[in-house]
Amino acid sequence: DAEITQSPRHKITETGRQVTLACHQTWNHNNMFWYRQDLGHGLRLIHYSYGVQDTNKGEVSDGYSVSRSNTEDLPLTLESAASSQTSVYFCASSAVASSYEQYFGPGTRLTVT
Amino acid sequence: AQRVTQPEKLLSVFKGAPVELKCNYSYSGSPELFWYVQYSRQRLQLLLRHISRESIKGFTADLNKGETSFHLKKPFAQEEDSAMYYCALSGAGSYQLTFGKGTKLSVIP
Repeated sequence: DAEITQSPRHKITETGRQVTLACHQTWNHNNMFWYRQDLGHGLRLIHYSYGVQDTNKGEVSDGYSVSRSNTEDLPLTLESAASSQTSVYFCASSAVASSYEQYFGPGTRLTVT
Repeated sequence: AQRVTQPEKLLSVFKGAPVELKCNYSYSGSPELFWYVQYSRQRLQLLLRHISRESIKGFTADLNKGETSFHLKKPFAQEEDSAMYYCALSGAGSYQLTFGKGTKLSVIP
């Protein structure tokens, strides 16, 4: 069955380190998204991609970057982790013609100490 | 700018009581509205969308353009409805979703 996976599921890192969170989907969806979920803020869009080599900034993109070299993967990189980036990160994907329904991964809980 | 407001952070109801989770939006055009649900220890999943006008797990939501609302309703709450509920909006021609801050529904047995 097609699915969307994230790794690692839990990560603890130190301030200043570079961290990459993986997202892999086998739906063959063109659209992929990264969100962070914080208490009191809901889900906020970090970056998104509408296809290979396409990346766009979302609402809270500072300190994050993404790259899209193939359809299946959209890794999220924290260039220099900060304590404010402690959060739960969700990846999602959607097809072009799916009435905008997004399918979510299980999430990665990141703690920056 | 588009915005989704869910005024209640937490809503507690007794089993069998009616439920209404409020959602108001701000958008200048014709939006697509959705409700997503996140059960404990599970990933977010689509509950329903306004264009399909369907009932899922007994929940319904009607888009009221005059009041810019998309409230989620269920006549009789069940314990398994306890979860985090997010209202989301997508603008015309955009695949991005703008989420509200979410409402945690707790159904008391």
